[in-house]
Amino acid sequence: GAGVSQSPSNKVTEKGKDVELRCDPISGHTALYWYRQRLGQGLEFLIYFQGNSAPDKSGLPSDRFSAERTGESVSTLTIQRTQQEDSAVYLCASSFQGGHPGGQETQYFGPGTRLLVL
Amino acid sequence: EDQVTQSPEALRLQEGESSSLNCSYTVSGLRGLFWYRQDPGKGPEFLFTLYSAGEEKEKERLKATLTKKESFLHITAPKPEDSATYLCAVQGYSSASKIIFGSGTRLSIRP
Repeated sequence: GAGVSQSPSNKVTEKGKDVELRCDPISGHTALYWYRQRLGQGLEFLIYFQGNSAPDKSGLPSDRFSAERTGESVSTLTIQRTQQEDSAVYLCASSFQGGHPGGQETQYFGPGTRLLVL
Repeated sequence: EDQVTQSPEALRLQEGESSSLNCSYTVSGLRGLFWYRQDPGKGPEFLFTLYSAGEEKEKERLKATLTKKESFLHITAPKPEDSATYLCAVQGYSSASKIIFGSGTRLSIRP
């Protein structure tokens, strides 16, 4: 596709249920990021995938959060036993490894999944 | 610890009234500083990347500048369609994968 897509666009769930969020990156992009954005706040880094390297999971807030990515394609973010404080917009971004030497390539963001935990 | 602070939190301008948004940062070796625009209900949209102090980049009514401690996003003669939240982010060499975002400046342009 032309851009990063995420599904579902909105998700309402009950406290204690598990949810799975999906991200389809731009074809050919080797890097993929997940962020969380609470209302009126900036983006909080969750996890980073780069090719076949081990992911950087340092931003995951608890062991209820996990993410997977198969190769350089789709990624899923899973939140187990959801809590009300998990309510937020979850954003995915992808980038093409390359560009300015020693610099950071441009991240392209999806529209996000708005999660509401009741 | 890498940190980004944006000011003001919100800014209301009259159409045509130029101003600047500030992004102060601390990072252990700057690899890149980024500006994004975010419209309500959408993901951030990339505007600029700055790599070293003294660098400037322009796009239409926007101009981004960078020093060793802060970046400014100057907006000249803004139009209502420039209304959005503007996010600043930094990436340091100590943790190449982690990009730290500020909380943003909500810009509103009145016609």
